[in-house]
Amino acid sequence: DAGVTQSPTHLIKTRGQQVTLRCSPISGHKSVSWYQQVLGQGPQFIFQYYEKEERGRGNFPDRFSARQFPNYSSELNVNALLLGDSALYLCASSLYLAGGYEQYFGPGTRLTVT
Amino acid sequence: GENVEQHPSTLSVQEGDSAVIKCTYSDSASNYFPWYKQELGKRPQLIIDIRSNVGEKKDQRIAVTLNKTAKHFSLHITETQPEDSAVYFCAVAGGADGLTFGKGTHLIIQP
Repeated sequence: DAGVTQSPTHLIKTRGQQVTLRCSPISGHKSVSWYQQVLGQGPQFIFQYYEKEERGRGNFPDRFSARQFPNYSSELNVNALLLGDSALYLCASSLYLAGGYEQYFGPGTRLTVT
Repeated sequence: GENVEQHPSTLSVQEGDSAVIKCTYSDSASNYFPWYKQELGKRPQLIIDIRSNVGEKKDQRIAVTLNKTAKHFSLHITETQPEDSAVYFCAVAGGADGLTFGKGTHLIIQP
């Protein structure tokens, strides 16, 4: 019984570059949310997708975008990377729209911007 | 938007004693309150949650209480063990804006 998976595990990019992170939810889950976790802080909400539509967005600039595919997997894209984008990016899977349902996290992608 | 305050930031207890972590929130419409445990270098793990129509929930050594009037909820861990050492996050949800997390509590279990 596979949990939430994310790829890649680690990534090193240079300022100004673009990055794509990938997430596969738990089988049967239809909602995927993305979070950014800076060292020493709690995760911060970026996006929520349900049935391939964006259903919620956190306080992040337009350089951040995402999409959800028909198989419910998701990609997070970040353009024009800044040093401050260095963080652990977590994907969370939920059965339905995540407001009142359990969210299960993947192992994360550690992004380092130099 | 929602604001979540979590206290204390660090909590050190003797093995076998109880630990209590408290959170307050600002949006009275919030209706779901999970707790996550995160060990160093690992993903946040959901350990217990409570919904707004329930005042208390217990799962073995872990319990969560909710006071909707005062807008605060707490995590209680009894008979603490070394493997309870981790960072604990409270979170709040009320709609489609995902979870709002507290800043975390570093729980240290002293042998």
